[in-house]
Parts: sequence; C-alpha cells; structure tokens
Amino acid sequence: NAGVMQNPRHLVRRRGQEARLRCSPMKGHSHVYWYRQLPEEGLKFMVYLQKENIIDESGMPKERFSAEFPKEGPSILRIQQVVRGDSAAYFCASSPPGRVSQNIQYFGAGTRLSVL
Amino acid sequence: SQQGEEDPQALSIQEGENATMNCSYKTSINNLQWYRQNSGRGLVHLILIRSNEREKHSGRLRVTLDTSKKSSSLLITASRAADTASYFCATDANSGGSNYKLTFGKGTLLTVNP
Repeated sequence: NAGVMQNPRHLVRRRGQEARLRCSPMKGHSHVYWYRQLPEEGLKFMVYLQKENIIDESGMPKERFSAEFPKEGPSILRIQQVVRGDSAAYFCASSPPGRVSQNIQYFGAGTRLSVL
Repeated sequence: SQQGEEDPQALSIQEGENATMNCSYKTSINNLQWYRQNSGRGLVHLILIRSNEREKHSGRLRVTLDTSKKSSSLLITASRAADTASYFCATDANSGGSNYKLTFGKGTLLTVNP
C-alpha cells in the first residue's frame, strides 16, 4: 500500500514561470491537505480539499496560487508567475474518509521548489 | 510564542541516553500529534494523543499532555543514532470546525551521537 506520492521531488523554475506540484493520496483516502515549509520553519497550512471540492483555502495566497483535486487523478497545487519568495518545500498530506478530527494526516516526501 | 512551539530548539545527546522535547500551545485542542522529519525528507507520524488523555506510549516513545498548562512532552528512551531528526508537535484547533488544520512549531533538532 503506497504512501502519499508527490512529484516531482525537486523543481527548479525561473521567476515568472509556472510550477505544478502533484500529489496522489494514499489509497482509500479522500482528504488532501497542502502545507508549505520555509527553511528552518514548521509547516504552514495552505489548503484542504476533498474530491472536486475546495473545503478551506484560507492559508493559500489569494493571487497566483490555486489547488484542485479532480474526480480522477492527483491533486495539483499550481503556482503561477513564481517569485523567489515561493522557494520552499511543499508537502501534501492525506487522511481517510470520516471525521477529520479523528484522523491522522499522512505526509508525502514533499516537493522542493527553487525559484532562480 | 506561537501555537505548537517546541523547545529546546536543538538537543544533542549520546546514544543510549533519553531525549525529552517539549511543546507548548495556546488554544484548546482536540488532539496533539508528534511527527519526525529526517533532513530533506517528509514527515513521519509518531504518535497522537487526544485531549482527554494524559499519557501515551508507543515503543520507546512516551508522550504526555497537560491541557491545564497547554503543554506536551515527547520522551525518547534509549536513543539511537537513527533517531537523529527534527521533531515537530502539531495541534488542531478545537474551534469553528477547522480542526483538520494542523499547526506546527519550528521543531526540535535532535542529534544522537554514536
């Protein structure tokens, strides 16, 4: 049973380009969360999605960032027109159906985005 | 201090010794979780303790929770070099139905010297 899969593991972009980060949750999990980790910081919540629905995007910048979790395929975090400040590790987590307050979130290995 | 703040920031011990890390938080919670992160890797879930629990064990790990002091501790007994990692506590706020939103501290960097 594979864990949460994120790709790519490392992504280099120049300022102004787009970054697309992918996350496949654990089998049977229907909740997906994205977090961002700046160097020597803890993870910061960005967005919580269920299939085809954004439940809470309160931690995501209003501009340039978007997330989706389509009916088929992985969840995508998209960052348009990247800037140097977007350089960070982006982690995806998933949890099984049911009350989210009772569920452990399982994390992927992360995508490390470097903006040149 | 911020929600889910760990101390010390860094801890260096010898193999075989015990390591204790602390976490403080501000708001009421449903659960508190501890995660481990090896350098450049993802987070591995270690243990979850619910707000109505005071102590929990898992292998060489012992977690305590004091909701009156809004604090938790993680004890790793008989440490090994492989325990070298950053350790984070994560809390979920018990308010407004947004308790899926984990708040992490900056972590404690534990180094276990062989």
